[in-house]
Amino acid sequence: GDSVTQMEGPVTLSEEAFLTINCTYTATGYPSLFWYVQYPGEGLQLLLKATKADDKGSNKGFEATYRKETTSFHLEKGSVQVSDSAVYFCARRYSSASKIIFGSGTRLSIRP
Amino acid sequence: EPEVTQTPSHQVTQMGQEVILRCVPISNHLYFYWYRQILGQKVEFLVSFYNNEISEKSEIFDDQFSVERPDGSNFTLKIRSTKLEDSAMYFCASMGTESYEQYFGPGTRLTVT
Repeated sequence: GDSVTQMEGPVTLSEEAFLTINCTYTATGYPSLFWYVQYPGEGLQLLLKATKADDKGSNKGFEATYRKETTSFHLEKGSVQVSDSAVYFCARRYSSASKIIFGSGTRLSIRP
Repeated sequence: EPEVTQTPSHQVTQMGQEVILRCVPISNHLYFYWYRQILGQKVEFLVSFYNNEISEKSEIFDDQFSVERPDGSNFTLKIRSTKLEDSAMYFCASMGTESYEQYFGPGTRLTVT
């Protein structure tokens, strides 16, 4: 069935390192794609989104581009900070009001 | 900035007991959702609610679960007879038509003993 697959964690990086968290999806049609972030002890926050092919979502230095040809939506950041330590979830949604399907999450730890 | 709130933040209950998890969505939102996250696992959809009725539900949302919007502000999830495997973090979300973005609450951690 339709799913979202993201790279397993944990991912540990040094501050100022380049970050990539891979995400691919299987789906019929053209879902909207999202990255959510969950900081320790908190709920889910929308980090960025893209609603159609070749769209680039960006926020707080993070970026992800909706690639239809590779069915991917990889999250990138050029220089991570300790405060970026969190769990990141890739997700998709088919229509405006429909449920969100989440990937399994990737725990990111940034060391000073 | 408006936010979704949930109470309680942590609920401990014994197996077989009924629990009600409460959510206050953002005031002008029309779409409401419940998700859950078993510790260390992915976030899973439970149910969506619109216009005073369930619009979609997952396989998890069986007869032991129910949702209600008893007044203009609250949205509740009831589990009639809790099981050990219901232990999870339960997230409420609401969405309005201005952005069609789901806003999540901070979650209620349910522990069934």
